[in-house]
Amino acid sequence: RKEVEQDPGPFNVPEGATVAFNCTYSNSASQSFFWYRQDCRKEPKLLMSVYSSGNEDGRFTAQLNRASQYISLLIRDSKLSDSATYLCVVNFPPGNTPLVFGKGTRLSVIA
Amino acid sequence: NAGVMQNPRHLVRRRGQEARLRCSPMKGHSHVYWYRQLPEEGLKFMVYLQKENIIDESGMPKERFSAEFPKEGPSILRIQQVVRGDSAAYFCASSPQTSERTQYFGPGTRLTVL
Repeated sequence: RKEVEQDPGPFNVPEGATVAFNCTYSNSASQSFFWYRQDCRKEPKLLMSVYSSGNEDGRFTAQLNRASQYISLLIRDSKLSDSATYLCVVNFPPGNTPLVFGKGTRLSVIA
Repeated sequence: NAGVMQNPRHLVRRRGQEARLRCSPMKGHSHVYWYRQLPEEGLKFMVYLQKENIIDESGMPKERFSAEFPKEGPSILRIQQVVRGDSAAYFCASSPQTSERTQYFGPGTRLTVL
């Protein structure tokens, strides 16, 4: 069973707010995890990979909890330009392909 | 360094016609992946190819769909005898030889079947 589950949202937050998304995956053997963002009618763009120790890139922080099989994305100081759909992506062994995409969480940052 | 290129960006076909979607990977990338995204749905993996080889086609419908990645030229996703349910956005992604994990997407082809 290859499942990646996300809350579809939408999350409507004011500028400057902090918002967090979670994602759960079904295969405990998964090794590769990513967050992509997708703007309306555009292609997915890699936001960040998710490492076991957690990682941060500017206002974005990603964390992995292997025991509970979920990953999270935290966005601090939200900007209007952060409005998009955020896709949780996980590999399902064996191998690193294919990747399985969640349906995404929609974020709207409001002025 | 040009990104992943796909053409056409928009394609309209009538039921029963054939659709050909092209994908040129990023320079230096030898792995190509095709995904389909239905309206309000997530991306669904279709097929993974390397030059002249299909590595994983577990997501491809058994009939009417085929894909190739020839030694020269772009990867082609071919849909024969299209039906209305084939209307979707088809995205191609590529990754380099050294890492299969990070995939970079093209702008997609939006197929509309009338």
